[in-house]
Amino acid sequence: GAGVSQSPRYKVAKRGQDVALRCDPISGHVSLFWYQQALGQGPEFLTYFQNEAQLDKSGLPSDRFFAERPEGSVSTLKIQRTQQEDSAVYLCASSATVHRGNEKLFFGSGTQLSVL
Amino acid sequence: AQSVTQLDSQVPVFEEAPVELRCNYSSSVSVYLFWYVQYPNQGLQLLLKYLSGSTLVKGINGFEAEFNKSQTSFHLRKPSVHISDTAEYFCAVSDPMKTSYDKVIFGPGTSLSVIP
Repeated sequence: GAGVSQSPRYKVAKRGQDVALRCDPISGHVSLFWYQQALGQGPEFLTYFQNEAQLDKSGLPSDRFFAERPEGSVSTLKIQRTQQEDSAVYLCASSATVHRGNEKLFFGSGTQLSVL
Repeated sequence: AQSVTQLDSQVPVFEEAPVELRCNYSSSVSVYLFWYVQYPNQGLQLLLKYLSGSTLVKGINGFEAEFNKSQTSFHLRKPSVHISDTAEYFCAVSDPMKTSYDKVIFGPGTSLSVIP
């Protein structure tokens, strides 16, 4: 596609509900990142995929957070039993090759999650 | 671990005036440095990056940044701002010494408001 696409754009969940956030990276991009951006803060790293392999999940805040990219393209970030502190914008970014720190990241517009 | 400090959370500036957005990073070893911009309701876009070589880096939209190793700084400058430059600006860093992959670490951001 032309860019990184994320859906839904907005998600409101009741506390305790499960949510699934989708990311469609640029076609053919090897690397995919998920970031969490709280209000007024910078993006915080959650997890990294190289094709279908999840190489780093050190940023996931709890075992309620789970991410997958089964075919090396579309990725889903799932949050189980949502809590109010999960309210944030969830950003997806991709880059063309294995990410060695110097490549340009292409970001989606994010999913704004509000947990009531 | 790498970290990024952006001391100014908000910077108001009049149209056509110069602006400097400050960024300091934690490590004294080799780094890759980036500035990303986030316009309202849009994803982050790369403004410029420093990988090696000349310490003065020029980016899109008339922005430039200077890498200063001794001061561990990477300040962003523009000689004359436009209304359209109103946005959130994020400084970011990654580690070129990692042998496999490395994630990009973002600062908290500076909100630039250009006043007509």
